[in-house]
Amino acid sequence: SQQGEEDPQALSIQEGENATMNCSYKTSINNLQWYRQNSGRGLVHLILIRSNEREKHSGRLRVTLDTSKKSSSLLITASRAADTASYFCAASNTGNQFYFGTGTSLTVIP
Amino acid sequence: DVKVTQSSRYLVKRTGEKVFLECVQDMDHENMFWYRQDPGLGLRLIYFSYDVKMKEKGDIPEGYSVSREKKERFSLILESASTNQTSMYLCASSLPGGRRETQYFGPGTRLLVL
Repeated sequence: SQQGEEDPQALSIQEGENATMNCSYKTSINNLQWYRQNSGRGLVHLILIRSNEREKHSGRLRVTLDTSKKSSSLLITASRAADTASYFCAASNTGNQFYFGTGTSLTVIP
Repeated sequence: DVKVTQSSRYLVKRTGEKVFLECVQDMDHENMFWYRQDPGLGLRLIYFSYDVKMKEKGDIPEGYSVSREKKERFSLILESASTNQTSMYLCASSLPGGRRETQYFGPGTRLLVL
């Protein structure tokens, strides 16, 4: 069953702007992860935030988690054309299974 | 670096054929997963395995089976391929829960069933 849901489904921005994607999930989680997928390729792990964390940074990425609202957001600052990809959140409860959302397709226009 | 490889990037099969998709990981991960990815539906879990010879059904196991005879290899089998199994198939591996739960994905196999 689908546990993660990203919003928006598609996002188009100019290079240099910030991109924000949101994710909602349905049940309690152990952690939430964000992945990136370039067209026709496998997914690459970006960042993991645990259920007892509220915010995490990695380079130009900033992830927030609100367990009371069962939601997370991914912010990519100073976007580049190379950030064009689909982004997925994955909710994990036991740690052995991951429930992926439908993804946000990000286009960064040079 | 973890490497997950899949036997084919593109595959074309006919309805009724038996199809084998192979996945190999080189990091001694206990967990391995098979997903299919379809537009608008995201990734859906077909089967996963916690250990050699162990398998668990995911959300959409119908029409599929799996085999894990060795720790590094997890095979997805389409017993009798049908056109609705045309999809992108992604394999992933990870360490057990409670440790580093990150999933590492292979490049995917795009399967077309005619």
